[in-house]
Amino acid sequence: DVKVTQSSRYLVKRTGEKVFLECVQDMDHENMFWYRQDPGLGLRLIYFSYDVKMKEKGDIPEGYSVSREKKERFSLILESASTNQTSMYLCASSFHLAYRSYEQYFGPGTRLTVT
Amino acid sequence: AQSVTQLDSQVPVFEEAPVELRCNYSSSVSVYLFWYVQYPNQGLQLLLKYLSGSTLVESINGFEAEFNKSQTSFHLRKPSVHISDTAEYFCAVRDTRGSNDMRFGAGTRLTVKP
Repeated sequence: DVKVTQSSRYLVKRTGEKVFLECVQDMDHENMFWYRQDPGLGLRLIYFSYDVKMKEKGDIPEGYSVSREKKERFSLILESASTNQTSMYLCASSFHLAYRSYEQYFGPGTRLTVT
Repeated sequence: AQSVTQLDSQVPVFEEAPVELRCNYSSSVSVYLFWYVQYPNQGLQLLLKYLSGSTLVESINGFEAEFNKSQTSFHLRKPSVHISDTAEYFCAVRDTRGSNDMRFGAGTRLTVKP
């Protein structure tokens, strides 16, 4: 069974703290993604990675960084958390090659509250 | 770049009634289309997808969607909904060239009432 896991379901942090969100997939997928989900805005891409140590900015990278040291793990880092980063964060993964299945597989999400 | 518009943010219906969730997309190239469902406090799960071939695609739980290229639409339908279909539904699009970019709509919250 396909599995994408995220380190926390709920997280509460203070303004200015450094926050790490971890995501692990067991499907040997090349691609991994971080989205944030806000009511009325759907999913917005923060960063994605198509290989180990490779990353590309999505639509809203400001205030975030990422790390991919191993193929199965993709971390999202909030260097200095702010209240406007309170959101649901979703990790996803997918195969890279065009002839494979094209969908993304999602983790359960991390609801982050910054106070 | 592609974009997706889900025309209804909320759709309330009674149990056993039919439902249609509307999705329109914009793209200058050929696309693949997806519907995802998100049940409360869970991540997104793939409901169905259109890649090629028959323009009518079905899911295992009775939903279907039809790809209409001329109207750039991919509406989701179910002839008779259940309480358990209450969830948020997201339409998504990606191009066929193999890029990694998938675009999601803002979501439609389907609420099925008894």
